[in-house]
Amino acid sequence: AQSVTQLGSHVSVSEGALVLLRCNYSSSVPPYLFWYVQYPNQGLQLLLKYTSAATLVKGINGFEAEFKKSETSFHLTKPSAHMSDAAEYFCAVSDPGTASKLTFGTGTRLQVTL
Amino acid sequence: EAQVTQNPRYLITVTGKKLTVTCSQNMNHEYMSWYRQDPGLGLRQIYYSMNVEATDKGDVPEGYKVSRKEKRNFPLILESPSPNQTSLYFCASSLNRNTEAFFGQGTRLTVV
Repeated sequence: AQSVTQLGSHVSVSEGALVLLRCNYSSSVPPYLFWYVQYPNQGLQLLLKYTSAATLVKGINGFEAEFKKSETSFHLTKPSAHMSDAAEYFCAVSDPGTASKLTFGTGTRLQVTL
Repeated sequence: EAQVTQNPRYLITVTGKKLTVTCSQNMNHEYMSWYRQDPGLGLRQIYYSMNVEATDKGDVPEGYKVSRKEKRNFPLILESPSPNQTSLYFCASSLNRNTEAFFGQGTRLTVV
């Protein structure tokens, strides 16, 4: 069964600084990987996804993530944080072609300070 | 517009009073699921449905029921709510169980 670990339940960055949110996964087959964002009082919105095409995936709002098989990682980055990026971010993994379902990490709350 | 609609958004109820949270999607998705979100625990799947009349337990099904009589609707039923079911609930739909899920806006339930 697949699983996902998000290191750091809270991350704080200054406006304009690099954002790095970590996600490591375990999977028995080449996985599908997803990052979701949840703004206050809203549902989860898909930021980006990896489904075995290019290993560097670009998403909405300037975010991107790189699939690194050797490190079993799918870290989310953004070169310059904006106040509007403050939200909770969830990494998720699934094993395509199997009976397994989408599995979510426990989330990382991003705080952006002036 | 493609969307998943949940109602109500907020609900306060008393222990033991049956309630239903509705969920509807307009994307013709076969797979639908319910999650609860609790601080520090992320999203945990309650129940899911592969298609009409096909439902199954997720990771935390105790105290919940679901039904799938139509493809677009997947209501969550709490027959006898208890305070430990106070949580934020999300309905989601997807083409299948492996692909990206589309989420509703959430229902914040408080059981007193």
